This record gives sequence, C-alpha cells and structure tokens, in this order.
Amino acid sequence: AQSVTQLDSHVSVSEGTPVLLRCNYSSSYSPSLFWYVQHPNKGLQLLLKYTSAATLVKGINGFEAEFKKSETSFHLTKPSAHMSDAAEYFCVCGGSSNTGKLIFGQGTTLQVKP
Amino acid sequence: SAVISQKPSRDICQRGTSLTIQCQVDSQVTMMFWYRQQPGQSLTLIATANQGSEATYESGFVIDKFPISRPNLTFSTLTVSNMSPEDSSIYLCSVDRGLSETQYFGPGTRLLVL
Repeated sequence: AQSVTQLDSHVSVSEGTPVLLRCNYSSSYSPSLFWYVQHPNKGLQLLLKYTSAATLVKGINGFEAEFKKSETSFHLTKPSAHMSDAAEYFCVCGGSSNTGKLIFGQGTTLQVKP
Repeated sequence: SAVISQKPSRDICQRGTSLTIQCQVDSQVTMMFWYRQQPGQSLTLIATANQGSEATYESGFVIDKFPISRPNLTFSTLTVSNMSPEDSSIYLCSVDRGLSETQYFGPGTRLLVL
C-alpha cells in the first residue's frame, strides 16, 4: 500500500526567507510524485511532478523538489518566499497507472509573514 | 493542462435533499475522478468515473449515497443524496489525460448542509 506523510501541518516563514515543506512517501514501486497548491477558496493547482526522470524537479513560481529514493522523501523548497505563496500545499503520490488513483498527504499550511 | 468547470460553485442545502454537481472538461478525457475535501482536511477519493462503465467507488463510499454519471468523454455528474450536515465539504472533480498520471482539478463545489 502507498502512503504519503507531510511532516509539518503548519510552516511559518518570513517574506524573503527560504521555504521547506517536507514530504515522505511509502510505495512498493517507483512512484510518481506531485506537489499541488490550494489557495484560499480556490481549486488545486499543480506545482510540479516527478516521474522517474531527473531527481531535481523544477516547478512553477520558483518552487522545486528533490526526489531522494534512499530517504523516501520529496521535499518542496523555494529560495525566497513571497506573500502570495501563503496557501495549503499537498504532497501527492500517484498510484498504479492503470487506476490513476492519487494518494494525498494531509497538507501543510504555509504562512508568510511580512 | 485542462480547463475544468464545475457547477454550482457553492450551495447551501437542507438536510434530506439531494444536490447534483456537474463537471465539464474542455476536451475529451478517459478518466475522471471525484474527491471530497472535508473542512480543514485533505482530499479523499470518492470514485473513478470512466465513460462507458460503472463508476468505481472507494471504501466508505457507496453508489446509493453518491451516484455518478459519465455520459460522454467531457462531462460527469456527482449527486450527493439524502444530505446531512456531515456532507458539508468541498467536492472536486479531476481529470487524467493519461500522461504521467497528472491530474487537473476543477475549482470545486462548496456545499453546506443545514
């Protein structure tokens, strides 16, 4: 069975400082991994995805994530936080490609202080 | 990506009634999914809706409570039947184009049951 664990339910940073949102996964095979962002009262937007190509994945809005198989991690980072980054972030693991199911982490709320 | 719309965007309903949520995609897709996001929670998959076959429900969700239709490759509906306050959630549809399992989400339907 697959699972996703987001290690922090809430992260608070100051504007202009780095962002680190942590995610560990468990999968019996090499998974597809995603980060989605949900702004207040908005739908989910895909930030980036890993699909067994380069382990360092660059996404939109300056975000990137590194796939580390040995650590079963897929942490999301950004060098400098903007106020507009305040949102809910979900780490997601893809299931079998035959079913298309996604397994969602519990989410991390990112607060950006001025 | 995909352009996905949902109707209604939000609704307030009385207990015991039913609400049908529509999901429209701007192009043909094989796989469509319905998720529930309870207040302050992550997303939980309700069912997978493939055109030409019965929807596949996840554990804890049943067809009598959440009937789904998928009449063609661009449209699906989810009905929340005999509603109770516990059904108050955001309901989201998503589509999978079959490319690296990436799913794109609609804006969601915010349901409040009184």
